[in-house]
Amino acid sequence: NAGVTQTPKFQVLKTGQSMTLQCAQDMNHNSMYWYRQDPGMGLRLIYYSASEGTTDKGEVPNGYNVSRLNKREFSLRLESAAPSQTSVYFCASSEGGGYYEKLFFGSGTQLSVL
Amino acid sequence: DAKTTQPTSMDCAEGRAANLPCNHSTISGNEYVYWYRQIHSQGPQYIIHGLKNNETNEMASLIITEDRKSSTLILPHATLRDTAVYYCIVRGSNDYKLSFGAGTTVTVRA
Repeated sequence: NAGVTQTPKFQVLKTGQSMTLQCAQDMNHNSMYWYRQDPGMGLRLIYYSASEGTTDKGEVPNGYNVSRLNKREFSLRLESAAPSQTSVYFCASSEGGGYYEKLFFGSGTQLSVL
Repeated sequence: DAKTTQPTSMDCAEGRAANLPCNHSTISGNEYVYWYRQIHSQGPQYIIHGLKNNETNEMASLIITEDRKSSTLILPHATLRDTAVYYCIVRGSNDYKLSFGAGTTVTVRA
């Protein structure tokens, strides 16, 4: 039981390059999330998927796209990377739909855009 | 979506109790208080949650004031491994737009 798995763990991009961050969960959770964390700051929500087939913008969606591929997988795509997107990216999942929602997080992807 | 206010940082001696305060004066009746912690750039980890009663689990205790406008997370016997950033969050049902503020950086000293 791996929980939430993110790949890759580290990535360096040049400005303008594109890439997709992958996230998969094996807990049969309905809801999935993408966060970014800049140095010395908390986590800010980029996009979330309340259930399979739905996605919605969070606090900082500009420059990103997401795909809820199936119930297990939720990917985050940077179409044209910018230095401002240098950050640590965390994926999370939760059961979804109830008052009590515990989020489970992956170990993060460290992304540097040069 | 209620906001929370936490101190930026605090120190604690190893073996002593650590009391972490959180203000959430605009919390509404159906919003729960959650605590998470993040150890050295790992993904945040759930600690405990509560609505209005005090709660205890193997990691910590949560004390919520009667008016629910503030709460305290208690780590009963802090160890060096409890050094982390602690986040206090309030969340209601189907509240998916959940962001974490800067939290409280807790340093446990030997």
